[in-house]
Amino acid sequence: EVQLLESGGGLVQPGGSLRLSCAASGFTFSSYAMTWVRQAPGKGLEWVSTIRGGSENTYYADSVKGRFTISRDNSKNTLDLQMNSLRAEDTAVYYCAKDPQHWLGYFDLWGRGTLVTVSS
Amino acid sequence: EIVLTQSPATLSLSPGERATLSCGASRSVSSRYLAWYQQKPGLAPRLLIYDASSRATGIPDRFSGSGSGTDFTLTISSLEPEDFAVYYCQQYGSSPLTFGGGTKVEIK
Repeated sequence: EVQLLESGGGLVQPGGSLRLSCAASGFTFSSYAMTWVRQAPGKGLEWVSTIRGGSENTYYADSVKGRFTISRDNSKNTLDLQMNSLRAEDTAVYYCAKDPQHWLGYFDLWGRGTLVTVSS
Repeated sequence: EIVLTQSPATLSLSPGERATLSCGASRSVSSRYLAWYQQKPGLAPRLLIYDASSRATGIPDRFSGSGSGTDFTLTISSLEPEDFAVYYCQQYGSSPLTFGGGTKVEIK
């Protein structure tokens, strides 16, 4: 079955760190760019970061640049997001999403999301 | 950054009616690189339309997309009960990728 499954969310204090993971199955993971998109409670969608299939390029939203790091392990079919210096405004459900090709910029498969809450 | 503005914020319609959702861009979206997603409460978004007018795999033909430049439309020709949800547009013609604020289609 083609699917994405996120994990690693939870409650963290402001200034803290958290690492999210996304396990992919049912497709050739290394062939596709992968992206993290987040959704604050009751709000719309926000692009966070993208990594190309071979990790040759990474891209970040200005709101997370310098604090978040995206990475992938194609041998394990996993996508990660290391989040440091977390702020209250980073509170959101984080989705991993698959690009339909190497990097088109839209998403044909989404995970169910993992909730990150930044609060003291 | 291209800002996408969706209207109306809420659309109240009955099953069987036609829904017309708009997505306006602050500047032209290159090559019609615009997608539409459907999201139901507690679930992940689902791709409906890409390249402004191409239906994604498995999407019923009652969903159609149109437009170019700065004005795009998602039309649902006859609402089914399962179509009541929030719809987002997204542009991927320029960086950063951006999403609209969403239109909620609710049962009247």
